[in-house]
Amino acid sequence: QQQVKQSPQSLIVQKGGIPIINCAYENTAFDYFPWYQQFPGKGPALLIAIRPDVSEKKEGRFTISFNKSAKQFSLHIMDSQPGDSATYFCAAVEETSGSRLTFGEGTQLTVNP
Amino acid sequence: DVKVTQSSRYLVKRTGEKVFLECVQDMDHENMFWYRQDPGLGLRLIYFSYDVKMKEKGDIPEGYSVSREKKERFSLILESASTNQTSMYLCASTVGGAGNQPQHFGDGTRLSIL
Repeated sequence: QQQVKQSPQSLIVQKGGIPIINCAYENTAFDYFPWYQQFPGKGPALLIAIRPDVSEKKEGRFTISFNKSAKQFSLHIMDSQPGDSATYFCAAVEETSGSRLTFGEGTQLTVNP
Repeated sequence: DVKVTQSSRYLVKRTGEKVFLECVQDMDHENMFWYRQDPGLGLRLIYFSYDVKMKEKGDIPEGYSVSREKKERFSLILESASTNQTSMYLCASTVGGAGNQPQHFGDGTRLSIL
């Protein structure tokens, strides 16, 4: 049972474009939503995270938008660069229950020069 | 910097063999995890451990077991390898406590079962 659904599975954009990756969750007990970035041949690494008490969080060119009522959140990458080409995973966790994350299916992003 | 080291990048084994995947972290983290990564299925949790000699089943524990005899080392064991266990295996660790602590991943072991 996939409790966090992620789309699209793959995405190709041109340099400078704004790729958007969407995630939806079912468990209303989730209260912390991190995104992980994985380059080829490497393990995933934490990119950015948000809690549901805010609707948006920015870190550099990366922005998370959060819609608590719809149980959806998304990652936007502004002015995307070829170096952003990677696989992106959204995740969710109930903070007080420990550190067991539930991951989405992943999105393979390609940014063409 | 936290370093999570997986013993092998690539491993080829035969059906029915007992396979050991090793993971070591150097930051005294309490929590350790084993995932498998398959295209279109994301990261699926196999087993995790919150302390030495403790283990908890994840979402897909069938066919696997784990061992944590020392805090820094978490081993994944395929009791009798099968072809459907061909996959990328990732180990991660994090400090204990709340779920807002980042998980630190190794670079993975790509396991092929022939």
